[in-house]
Amino acid sequence: GAGVSQSPSNKVTEKGKDVELRCDPISGHTALYWYRQSLGQGLEFLIYFQGNSAPDKSGLPSDRFSAERTGGSVSTLTIQRTQQEDSAVYLCASSLGNDQPQHFGDGTRLSIL
Amino acid sequence: AQKVTQAQTEISVVEKEDVTLDCVYETRDTTYYLFWYKQPPSGELVFLIRRNSFDEQNEISGRYSWNFQKSTSSFNFTITASQVVDSAVYFCALSEIKAAGNKLTFGGGTRVLVKP
Repeated sequence: GAGVSQSPSNKVTEKGKDVELRCDPISGHTALYWYRQSLGQGLEFLIYFQGNSAPDKSGLPSDRFSAERTGGSVSTLTIQRTQQEDSAVYLCASSLGNDQPQHFGDGTRLSIL
Repeated sequence: AQKVTQAQTEISVVEKEDVTLDCVYETRDTTYYLFWYKQPPSGELVFLIRRNSFDEQNEISGRYSWNFQKSTSSFNFTITASQVVDSAVYFCALSEIKAAGNKLTFGGGTRVLVKP
């Protein structure tokens, strides 16, 4: 499709396991963002990638969270040793450039048992 | 630090009524962007509008209109003649204008329920 694609759409895992969430941005979009939407915290910025520049990781809540973007396209958000408070919807967005509106994917709903 | 406040958590209207969503923001930046996004029950965030802080012209797009007032740090959104399909959560957001990405600071959202 033409939009931002995220997978899986839902993920249920046990506390302590690692999870990987994937984001395929819109073709040609150079900027990619991850956000988290949870009941308690609302929508929060996590990390930003732009081209080959160093990512802005200022929103990552702990060192259990990491992300990479390979080849300037697909991005993976990894959460290690998951905790129940990690339960949330993880949203990916991309934009044509760092000064353009962000377009969001449908998100991955993560549930930690 | 930036902050966006949407004081209304939920608004319920009957179809064809107008509904206005309030958004108040705080920022130390002199230039910034303001946004509205719609999140229907399906979950995806749909971009509606972006305004630049130095452009205070109000904007109308179909049944949607936006009132930006820098003097009161407000960026309100009105849906005219609401329809059931307008039922969604609406988020106001703010970002700096900078070379290294425009990460969004969101308000808490306003849930709009339009009843037939």
